[in-house]
Amino acid sequence: KNQVEQSPQSLIILEGKNCTLQCNYTVSPFSNLRWYKQDTGRGPVSLTIMTFSENTKSNGRYTATLDADTKQSSLHITASQLSDSASYICVVSGGGGGADGLTFGKGTHLIIQP
Amino acid sequence: NAGVMQNPRHLVRRRGQEARLRCSPMKGHSHVYWYRQLPEEGLKFMVYLQKENIIDESGMPKERFSAEFPKEGPSILRIQQVVRGDSAAYFCASSDLRAGPGDKNIQYFGAGTRLSVL
Repeated sequence: KNQVEQSPQSLIILEGKNCTLQCNYTVSPFSNLRWYKQDTGRGPVSLTIMTFSENTKSNGRYTATLDADTKQSSLHITASQLSDSASYICVVSGGGGGADGLTFGKGTHLIIQP
Repeated sequence: NAGVMQNPRHLVRRRGQEARLRCSPMKGHSHVYWYRQLPEEGLKFMVYLQKENIIDESGMPKERFSAEFPKEGPSILRIQQVVRGDSAAYFCASSDLRAGPGDKNIQYFGAGTRLSVL
């Protein structure tokens, strides 16, 4: 069964600190892995997309890594800001989870405190 | 350059009523996807449409739910005879190419419609 597991479920850190969110998946066959940011009351917004051959990709203060052998990905946020407070969703493509072939994780709820 | 527009943002219905959720994709996008998100759960695929065609509705309940994407106008997700279990956030996404396996094309999401069934 295609699954995407994210940890931690929630995380609280102080403004300016770094943090790392984890994503483990069992989607097969694998096509690509995406990280989305979902602000409260909003739709998800794409942060990064990585294919099998890419093991790191950055978008400003966000850096995603991918280990296709262990089927793990991480999202590292550097020098966190209050606006980083959101849910971060890991999405894996390729396993046939619906016509779109995307399997969504439940997300990590991140709170940045001043 | 407006993004994906969903309306209404909030919808309250009593059990047994009908709910109509609208989604206008980004300009130039002809692929529309509907997802449902329950509290503390991930987004779950419901249906994938192109203009005037339902491509895959494997994630949509067989009864009471229907979707359309007419040649003109927004995509509509229709829920008949709503029940309390239908209460959720419903998100629409669009893309200019099919966003699926082997395809890095990005889906752009709307802000969602939050349906509450009393």
